[in-house]
Amino acid sequence: QVQLVQSGAEMKKPGASVKVSCKASGYTFIGYYMNWVRQAPGQGLEWMGWINPNSGGTKYVQKFQGRVTMTRDTSISTAYMELSGLTSDDTAVYYCARDGDGMAVWGQGTTVTVSS
Amino acid sequence: EIVMTQSPATLSVSPGERATLSCRASQSFLTNVAWYQQKPGQAPRLLIYGASTRATGIPARFSGSGSGTEFTLNISSLQSEDFAVYYCQQYNNWPPEYTFGQGTKLEVK
Repeated sequence: QVQLVQSGAEMKKPGASVKVSCKASGYTFIGYYMNWVRQAPGQGLEWMGWINPNSGGTKYVQKFQGRVTMTRDTSISTAYMELSGLTSDDTAVYYCARDGDGMAVWGQGTTVTVSS
Repeated sequence: EIVMTQSPATLSVSPGERATLSCRASQSFLTNVAWYQQKPGQAPRLLIYGASTRATGIPARFSGSGSGTEFTLNISSLQSEDFAVYYCQQYNNWPPEYTFGQGTKLEVK
């Protein structure tokens, strides 16, 4: 079945970077853009951007420009999202979500906690 | 940037009744609106895309409508498992860009 499996929870100090992985299975990885969405505690959903796994091209929300890097490894059908310069405001659950007509397939989420 | 405003923030409805959730866009665009359901501790689940097309496996009691700047999600005959937070989302055709509404919490009356 179509599935996205994300890496485990992370705890980071302010100023550090975090890299979250998202392994796809059950479909052709390069056939669909991959989005990243985050959700701060008790808050709504915030789209961060996407990567085209076929070309490696990316689109980032302006808010995250300069701090976020989305990459992929097609040999293992895995997408990555790296966020640098972490602050407490980056404490959130980070989701990968396959693009299509809406976001029909989501990873289970990765909790990133930023605390000194 | 298109802003999506959902109303109400919280909706209290009794099981078996109908719920109507609204989403207003700050500017008119094509009917690329999706609706998601999210339960505590879970990832969002796609319900509706293209404003009115149910996603795979979504029960017929969920329906979406609207165009321009006004969009609606209707849930007829609420079941216990329908009480959750609902988000609308607009998306451009290509390359995709997304904006989520702030969410409507549907709670038991």
